[in-house]
Amino acid sequence: AQSVAQPEDQVNVAEGNPLTVKCTYSVSGNPYLFWYVQYPNRGLQFLLKYITGDNLVKGSYGFEAEFNKSQTSFHLKKPSALVSDSALYFCAVRDVHGYSTLTFGKGTMLLVSP
Amino acid sequence: SAVISQKPSRDICQRGTSLTIQCQVDSQVTMMFWYRQQPGQSLTLIATANQGSEATYESGFVIDKFPISRPNLTFSTLTVSNMSPEDSSIYLCSVEDRGAGAYEQYFGPGTRLTVT
Repeated sequence: AQSVAQPEDQVNVAEGNPLTVKCTYSVSGNPYLFWYVQYPNRGLQFLLKYITGDNLVKGSYGFEAEFNKSQTSFHLKKPSALVSDSALYFCAVRDVHGYSTLTFGKGTMLLVSP
Repeated sequence: SAVISQKPSRDICQRGTSLTIQCQVDSQVTMMFWYRQQPGQSLTLIATANQGSEATYESGFVIDKFPISRPNLTFSTLTVSNMSPEDSSIYLCSVEDRGAGAYEQYFGPGTRLTVT
């Protein structure tokens, strides 16, 4: 079975500082990894994905994530946080091989203070 | 990316009644999904809806409670039947883009359901 862990319920960061939202995963084979963001009263928006290739992937709104196979991690990062980045962030995984559905982590609330 | 709309955006329903949620996509897609997001929780997949076949339900979800229709490649409905307060959740539909190996899922805005 595949699973995702987001160890932090909430991350607090000051505007202008770098941010990291952590994610670790477990799949039987190779993973496809995704980050989504959910703003209040909105659906989920796709941020970025890792399928194959370069371990550092860049996505929307200046976010990036680094795939680390040995640590089974896919942490979300941004060099300089904005107040408008405050939202709920979900990491998700699926197994590359065979049919499998997307499994989401429990989410991490990011709060960026002015 | 696909643009997805859902109706209604929110509703307050009495226990024992049923609500049908509509999901419309602006392009033809093979795979559509229905998720539930309970208050303060992550997303849980209810079922996968493919056009021309019965929906595939995840463990803990049954067709009698959550019947799904998928009449064509741009539309699906999810019915929440015989509702109880425990069904109060946000219900989201999503579609998957497998073009060029993308495997990205795009989500509708959600339907916020409150059962009293």
